[in-house]
Amino acid sequence: NAGVTQTPKFRVLKTGQSMTLLCAQDMNHEYMYWYRQDPGMGLRLIHYSVGEGTTAKGEVPDGYNVSRLKKQNFLLGLESAAPSQTSVYFCASRSWDRGQGNQPQHFGDGTRLSIL
Amino acid sequence: QQQVKQSPQSLIVQKGGISIINCAYENTAFDYFPWYQQFPGKGPALLIAIRPDVSEKKEGRFTISFNKSAKQFSLHIMDSQPGDSATYFCAAYSDSWGKFQFGAGTQVVVTP
Repeated sequence: NAGVTQTPKFRVLKTGQSMTLLCAQDMNHEYMYWYRQDPGMGLRLIHYSVGEGTTAKGEVPDGYNVSRLKKQNFLLGLESAAPSQTSVYFCASRSWDRGQGNQPQHFGDGTRLSIL
Repeated sequence: QQQVKQSPQSLIVQKGGISIINCAYENTAFDYFPWYQQFPGKGPALLIAIRPDVSEKKEGRFTISFNKSAKQFSLHIMDSQPGDSATYFCAAYSDSWGKFQFGAGTQVVVTP
């Protein structure tokens, strides 16, 4: 049982390049999230999805796009990378629990992205 | 803006001591408050969580205290061990939105 798998684990890009980060979960979870983690700022939500074919903006969506064509995958795209997007990116998934909200998020181990 | 404020930023405690981390929130729509533990190079993992209808929850050496009227909650780590050295995040969740707001994190170092 792999849980949440993020690829790649590390990447260095040049300003202006594009790339896609892949998140895959094998727990049949409805909810999926993309966060970025920067020192002293905790985890900030970029985009999220409440089910296959749906996406929504989080706190810091600018410069990113997402797609959830299959329930198990959530893709994060950077169309034109900027140095300000240097960060550690985490994907998480979560089961939906009607009216309770007490299902935990399961996180991947992150993608460390540097943009020069 | 930061809807969940966490303090302190860092904490050094001796083995066997008590670590206390505090969080405050603004939005009364939040209805679930988890704490996450993160080790270097790993993703956060759920440690313990509480809902606002209880004032305290204990799991082993970890306790959440919740004050609904003050809109504050805290994590207490009793008998701290070197293996507890990690970064801890509080979070708040609303069923209405289906998403979490995280605090900025507290780096805890437990010295032998």
